[in-house]
Amino acid sequence: GEQVEQRPPHLSVREGDSAFITCTYTDPNSYYFFWYKQEPGASLQLLMKVFSSTEINEGQGFTVLLNKKDKRLSLNLTAAHPGDSAAYFCAVPRGGGRALIFGTGTTVSVSP
Amino acid sequence: GGIITQTPKFLIGQEGQKLTLKCQQNFNHDTMYWYRQDSGKGLRLIYYSITENDLQKGDLSEGYDASREKKSSFSLTVTSAQKNEMAVFLCASSMRGEAEQFFGPGTRLTVL
Repeated sequence: GEQVEQRPPHLSVREGDSAFITCTYTDPNSYYFFWYKQEPGASLQLLMKVFSSTEINEGQGFTVLLNKKDKRLSLNLTAAHPGDSAAYFCAVPRGGGRALIFGTGTTVSVSP
Repeated sequence: GGIITQTPKFLIGQEGQKLTLKCQQNFNHDTMYWYRQDSGKGLRLIYYSITENDLQKGDLSEGYDASREKKSSFSLTVTSAQKNEMAVFLCASSMRGEAEQFFGPGTRLTVL
């Protein structure tokens, strides 16, 4: 079945720097993907839904890149600020699309 | 908008005890999910339910039972609590045919 690998598990950056997180997946037929953000002590909040038709997706303070050839999904927090400190999870639909497979998460720490 | 409520927020039990976690959603979503979140391991699917009275096993269903009593509620039972399953349990829901999931705040389980 589908497998998802997320790297790195932890990331420490200074305010204003970029933070780059990557997920690789195995199912070439996956046609949408998710990034979720989990702040400390809180639940998961949807950051962005990405369709396979779009390789570059711009959000507020971040960019999501999709490389279908390499089956790689990336989240780039541009000019990170302390409010970006959180765990980030990618998610890919399972075969059949009814549930999601989550990456193992990346804990991002942004210091002033 | 809607909300997902999980009770209790913290659950402490003895090893071998049967424990029940509850989830309610007012999104009127058809599908509901239970995930277990272990530190450093992402989210793993325990059970999901496509509609009332439906149950589908996830990757981690052994040692758990679930019950979809009505459309708005989904319960999870730990049949015999073990110390190695101390984790946060997250409930989620989604619309029929949509993979985007909305998450509850979680129940943190401690086993003594």
